Amino acid sequence: GESVGLHLPTLSVQEGDNSIINCAYSNSASDYFIWYKQESGKGPQFIIDIRSNMDKRQGQRVTVLLNKTVKHLSLQIAATQPGDSAVYFCAENRDYGQNFVFGPGTRLSVLP
Amino acid sequence: ETGVTQTPRHLVMGMTNKKSLKCEQHLGHNAMYWYKQSAKKPLELMFVYSLEERVENNSVPSRFSPECPNSSHLFLHLHTLQPEDSALYLCASSRQSGTGGYTFGSGTRLTVV
Repeated sequence: GESVGLHLPTLSVQEGDNSIINCAYSNSASDYFIWYKQESGKGPQFIIDIRSNMDKRQGQRVTVLLNKTVKHLSLQIAATQPGDSAVYFCAENRDYGQNFVFGPGTRLSVLP
Repeated sequence: ETGVTQTPRHLVMGMTNKKSLKCEQHLGHNAMYWYKQSAKKPLELMFVYSLEERVENNSVPSRFSPECPNSSHLFLHLHTLQPEDSALYLCASSRQSGTGGYTFGSGTRLTVV
């Protein structure tokens, strides 16, 4: 179940530093967004979501920021750990429907 | 385990074979999905089932045939595949509203030889 072979943008950060992963979404009518994490050998896993009536939402060590003006979403990970190494996808949705559109993904590599 | 179980985890098949991928969820979700993940297109939606009825078929070739016998089970029947069909096939489920997103299985790594 690994994403090996995907030619993804890669972000390399030092362990303990903060990470910022960015995503540009396509549909200005999208009103619900999710970040997923995909580790090697696993399917994508829900991290955090945000609705369009919010600009920021915090979870445990993660924060999602939404800028609707420029259709930009970011995921901030505080004190990045080796276990955070994975591919991260943003997904957008409209009207809380069933169909999400996924971004291409960013590979996060945590350096010791 | 996420609550969505896919079998087999790995599958190698010849172009003339017929095989099936299986997905099972017991999360009480009533929508299920097949996605294809490959090097060229990371996550491609293939099929959507809502309340056991197919609601979307995303221009998928007929050599892929889905089946949803009940809200907990989803199959993808494969026949006369091509090498370019080699990919990771992911099953997901969700509430019908989509709130909370999808719960994905770990996928079936398919290699067509």
